[in-house]
Order: sequence, then structure tokens, then C-alpha cells
Amino acid sequence: GAVVSQHPSWVICKSGTSVKIECRSLDFQATTMFWYRQFPKQSLMLMATSNEGSKATYEQGVEKDKFLINHASLTLSTLTVTSAHPEDSSFYICSVSLGGSGRFLTDTQYFGPGTRLTVL
Amino acid sequence: DQQVKQNSPSLSVQEGRISILNCDYTNSMFDYFLWYKKYPAEGPTFLISISSIKDKNEDGRFTVFLNKSAKHLSLHIVPSQPGDSAVYFCAASGISNFGNEKLTFGTGTRLTIIP
Repeated sequence: GAVVSQHPSWVICKSGTSVKIECRSLDFQATTMFWYRQFPKQSLMLMATSNEGSKATYEQGVEKDKFLINHASLTLSTLTVTSAHPEDSSFYICSVSLGGSGRFLTDTQYFGPGTRLTVL
Repeated sequence: DQQVKQNSPSLSVQEGRISILNCDYTNSMFDYFLWYKKYPAEGPTFLISISSIKDKNEDGRFTVFLNKSAKHLSLHIVPSQPGDSAVYFCAASGISNFGNEKLTFGTGTRLTIIP
């Protein structure tokens, strides 16, 4: 498997500020990482697919200018929430794919522990 | 639009008995289904999966059943053990608008095994 870490595990920030969340694959070089968001009592929702060396692919309804994703290396992807607002308060979680771009890569996704963001 | 639904937010089962977690989906294009288990302060971990060409997949104490006509799947854990206490997420796999594979998750069921 793959070990995935996230930093920070929780963060509180003021409205209007930007917050950067890191996702690291500790023992595997990941060409593909996924970013999810989970609101209370709701399911994990895919926000974007992060591909190393290229632009992220965002899901419908996710503002790419607000949620900046950088996947500059095979072990690190970052999500920056720009000009955060209270409605951005959520649990953000990343995952690493071992399966490349083929089908059924989903059972080889390894998740990080998540980052809880609270915007005041 | 919740395409994957887990209608029971919580479930308590006596140790040694069978735990049955249910999941319903609406999108007939889903062709691969997975169950993930999540402990507090940890990310979800893959548990078991099933392709739509099968109706059952078994792995040790865990069995997943798929009823395509009813768009329903279930996870059976037998016998249930205290370490099984966790939140269980059902997920369905399909192809996104961009042509890449995408997971759609349910809201989760918190399973508590009573010693």
C-alpha cells in the first residue's frame, strides 16, 4: 500500500485569508492524487483530480480559482483555499492512486487522514 | 443529488453476530462498487469491492452482495468483532465527464460492536 500524510490536521483561519493544505505520499511516487471534501453528515465529494506536472481536473461546481491545486512533484500535492469564507469550513481529504490511469484504479486509492478547516 | 445512499447513519450489533450494512444507488452507469472503513482521525481504508458482473464477493469475514436490478448492495461482516467498530462508506465507481474514473461516496454508517 501507500502511506499518505496531510498537514495540517486541523486549521482555523479568519475569513478572507488563504490556507494551504499539503498532501504527501510518503512511500510511493504518485502521478495522480485526488482531493475530496466532506461537509458534516454528508458524503465525501470529489473536488479535483491532481496530475503531476499538469493542471488539475476540477469537478463540476468546484471553483478552480478558489481551490488552487499544485502537484509539482510525485510525492506532494497542495490545495490552497483562497479568500476562505465560513462556508468553506469542511473536512478536506486527499488520496493517492496506485493504479495509474486505467480502470478500476479506485480500489488502489490510499487516503490521507484529512484536514479539518474552520473559517471564522 | 445523492447518487449513493446509506440510509442508516448508525448500527449497533452484538459481538459475534452478523453486521449488515446497506447501500443504494441511483446511477445505472456505476459498474464497480467498493466499501471503505474509517477510524477516527484516519483516512478511509479500502475493505472490499465488487464488479457489476458479479453478485457476490467474499474476503474472510467480509462479504459484499450486489443486486443490480434493485440497485442495492450490502456488506456482511460475520462474526462481528469489537475492532470492526468504525464508519463504513459505500462507494461507486464510474467515469466522470472528463473521462477519468471517479468515486461517488455514500454518507457512511457508523457501526458499533457491543462486547
